[in-house]
Amino acid sequence: AQSVTQPDIHITVSEGASLELRCNYSYGATPYLFWYVQSPGQGLQLLLKYFSGDTLVQGIKGFEAEFKRSQSSFNLRKPSVHWSDAAEYFCARGSNYKLTFGKGTLLTVNP
Amino acid sequence: DSGVTQTPKHLITATGQRVTLRCSPRSGDLSVYWYQQSLDQGLQFLIQYYNGEERAKGNILERFSAQQFPDLHSELNLSSLELGDSALYFCASSVDRVGDTQYFGPGTRLTVL
Repeated sequence: AQSVTQPDIHITVSEGASLELRCNYSYGATPYLFWYVQSPGQGLQLLLKYFSGDTLVQGIKGFEAEFKRSQSSFNLRKPSVHWSDAAEYFCARGSNYKLTFGKGTLLTVNP
Repeated sequence: DSGVTQTPKHLITATGQRVTLRCSPRSGDLSVYWYQQSLDQGLQFLIQYYNGEERAKGNILERFSAQQFPDLHSELNLSSLELGDSALYFCASSVDRVGDTQYFGPGTRLTVL
């Protein structure tokens, strides 16, 4: 079965520092990969997605992610974190009819 | 705002009861998906409807059922509720192309006492 792994349950960074959230997916055909963000008490907002083509994908709020087939990874990055980025981040893999989510990474931002 | 609406926002009920969660997809989207988010299981796909027809089932209990109406809104029915059914239930919608983006509603938080 397809799976998505987010190795880091909780990450703490200082405001202004760079950020990388890790995501690994199980081997399979060309994956459709997504990053969503969930703020407390809110729904899931799409940050960015990868279908094909350029392996470096730009998203909203200054986020980017890089697809690396050789490492089965789709890590999310941001060069300078803002306090408002504190939230839970979910990596997901799309198939024909559903999304398979990782367990999520909770991001805490220190002032 | 994703354009997907869900009602109610919160629902508190007792064990053994039945509830109905409602979802209106984005304008133009034909597919509706239901997901359950709980602390122990994370985000799990329950079921998908496309243009009124059930298309796929995931980890949905037999006590749960869903339907999609001609106006494309969808309802998730949860019956014989147990404490463990307490969770956040999300609806998502998409146009329905392979790999299409699913847009999520704000969710319904169900508490079973």
